[in-house]
Amino acid sequence: KAGVTQTPRYLIKTRGQQVTLSCSPISGHRSVSWYQQTPGQGLQFLFEYFSETQRNKGNFPGRFSGRQFSNSRSEMNVSTLELGDSALYLCASRVQEIDGYTFGSGTRLTVV
Amino acid sequence: GENVEQHPSTLSVQEGDSAVIKCTYSDSASNYFPWYKQELGKGPQLIIDIRSNVGEKKDQRIAVTLNKTAKHFSLHITETQPEDSAVYFCAREDSNYQLIWGAGTKLIIKP
Repeated sequence: KAGVTQTPRYLIKTRGQQVTLSCSPISGHRSVSWYQQTPGQGLQFLFEYFSETQRNKGNFPGRFSGRQFSNSRSEMNVSTLELGDSALYLCASRVQEIDGYTFGSGTRLTVV
Repeated sequence: GENVEQHPSTLSVQEGDSAVIKCTYSDSASNYFPWYKQELGKGPQLIIDIRSNVGEKKDQRIAVTLNKTAKHFSLHITETQPEDSAVYFCAREDSNYQLIWGAGTKLIIKP
């Protein structure tokens, strides 16, 4: 079966711009979570969506937002990009909260 | 605090030898402890997990042990192979079913 698909794989944006990343979970997985991965901070939780509702949110500023559609696909948006937003953004899906995550390969965002 | 401490940060072992990575935590309410392997250019992949009602779990060359009293859990890889080279992350699940991650261990398998 198809895995978690993230698009695009690579992105270069200018400081101050905004960006939207997309994630298609495994079919049947209703929970989608987003993580930011950087060499200095490791894996940090951004938010989780379940059945189109944000269920949990990490400690990130309001510039980071997301949503989930009725087909479970999810998008995250970062507005007013800063250099420190450069990171690998990972999406992970699972059937429900007691299950393990399946991760996508991530979107590598570079802010210049 | 809620962090997970993971050691060592880098581990270099001879091919065929065993590798052990250890994680400690402080929140006694944690009941789920997964281990993920991340290869270059890929997202983390779940390789084994354990729940608090079990002390040990094995899957071929990989095993995880959990000591809830001491609040630590470990990943054991036996008969290491070149394809085991990767970054390994431990994690614990918090009360909101979110994962709190260790900082990662870079495992290097020397030929």
